[in-house]
Amino acid sequence: AQKVTQAQTEISVVEKEDVTLDCVYETRDTTYYLFWYKQPPSGELVFLIRRNSFDEQNEISGRYSWNFQKSTSSFNFTITASQVVDSAVYFCAGEMDSSYKLIFGSGTRLLVRP
Amino acid sequence: GAVVSQHPSRVICKSGTSVKIECRSLDFQATTMFWYRQFPKQSLMLMATSNEGSKATYEQGVEKDKFLINHASLTLSTLTVTSAHPEDSSFYICSASGTGASTDTQYFGPGTRLTVL
Repeated sequence: AQKVTQAQTEISVVEKEDVTLDCVYETRDTTYYLFWYKQPPSGELVFLIRRNSFDEQNEISGRYSWNFQKSTSSFNFTITASQVVDSAVYFCAGEMDSSYKLIFGSGTRLLVRP
Repeated sequence: GAVVSQHPSRVICKSGTSVKIECRSLDFQATTMFWYRQFPKQSLMLMATSNEGSKATYEQGVEKDKFLINHASLTLSTLTVTSAHPEDSSFYICSASGTGASTDTQYFGPGTRLTVL
């Protein structure tokens, strides 16, 4: 079965706190891609990162960092020193077969309070 | 780079009418476009996949005759909701991938909120 699970439905933090959004995936494919998207209240999905299954290096982009661990089938996303503008729904997604379809997790709603 | 636009952003229509939503890739050639539907506080549900110049592939449970998809060029796909009913009210989002953009990455449009009265 191919599946992406985001167990955290909602997270609320105070500004400047660090927060980690969890993502666990299931696939029998050896070649796959994982993504994170941000959906602010406006509705548009903003692409954050794409990672292929052969690249387990962690990535840092400003206050954002991603931890990809094949051993635990996880692709977690950390926001350091969160800001109110980070409030959004974050989706983890996987492309796990050759049809280029994205399998989305259920999303995590992040609320950053001032 | 990799910008996708959608038009209209919001539409209200009467039950029984048809509504057309356009999805355009502005700075790359979209060989594949996808149409999603999203209900409030839920995840995205893939409706169909279309490749330029060929018929769309619909997901199980999606009515082909109700949701007409046309991908006539490398920069434009349209979704027509025919004989819309209140249960078709939803947020429709398109995405595109293709040459000139990061391979295998889908870039999403801003979405169209459809309300059927």
